[in-house]
Amino acid sequence: EAQVTQNPRYLITVTGKKLTVTCSQNMNHEYMSWYRQDPGLGLRQIYYSMNVEVTDKGDVPEGYKVSRKEKRNFPLILESPSPNQTSLYFCASSGGWGSGANVLTFGAGSRLTVL
Amino acid sequence: GQQLNQSPQSMFIQEGEDVSMNCTSSSIFNTWLWYKQDPGEGPVLLIALYKAGELTSNGRLTAQFGITRKDSFLNISASIPSDVGIYFCAGQLNAGGTSYGKLTFGQGTILTVHP
Repeated sequence: EAQVTQNPRYLITVTGKKLTVTCSQNMNHEYMSWYRQDPGLGLRQIYYSMNVEVTDKGDVPEGYKVSRKEKRNFPLILESPSPNQTSLYFCASSGGWGSGANVLTFGAGSRLTVL
Repeated sequence: GQQLNQSPQSMFIQEGEDVSMNCTSSSIFNTWLWYKQDPGEGPVLLIALYKAGELTSNGRLTAQFGITRKDSFLNISASIPSDVGIYFCAGQLNAGGTSYGKLTFGQGTILTVHP
């Protein structure tokens, strides 16, 4: 089944404790992206990657890092989490080029709470 | 960056009623998308619109790409309980002939359907 898989789905952590949210897709998609969802704010893009070793900032990149060493994986790293990073996070991917490239496939989400 | 205003923020309707929601932008897009997010899941694409003035249907759903390219609306006819969820509009402006999936999302419309 074509899908985007995120882990963990739920995580409670404390301020300053580094964490990584993994994302993997099995569709050979070139484009991958991370969003955070907050009430009343919709989905805001954190980082995106157009291909292996190519990453760029989205609209709200502060406090986050990403890497794209392999095509299928795009982990989101919080080096020193803070309470304002408590949110619901989504990883998404798409084919990257041509028609339909903007049809994102989303993961099921990772709910992060930073105390 | 670009901003999308989606309205209404929430709707409470009776089963069988029709629903209408819309999105407006401060700048033009050349693609409009509508996604639905079921509780506990990631957003899933409902309808994609690629041409100004385009009217597209998907079952009980109808969406239109505004002539000005700055707005779009989604209608749901004869609502049923499984229509419950959050509906997001998203716009994309291709840059330099590429289409790499970067979308700007609206704030979402929370739909509740009472049986």
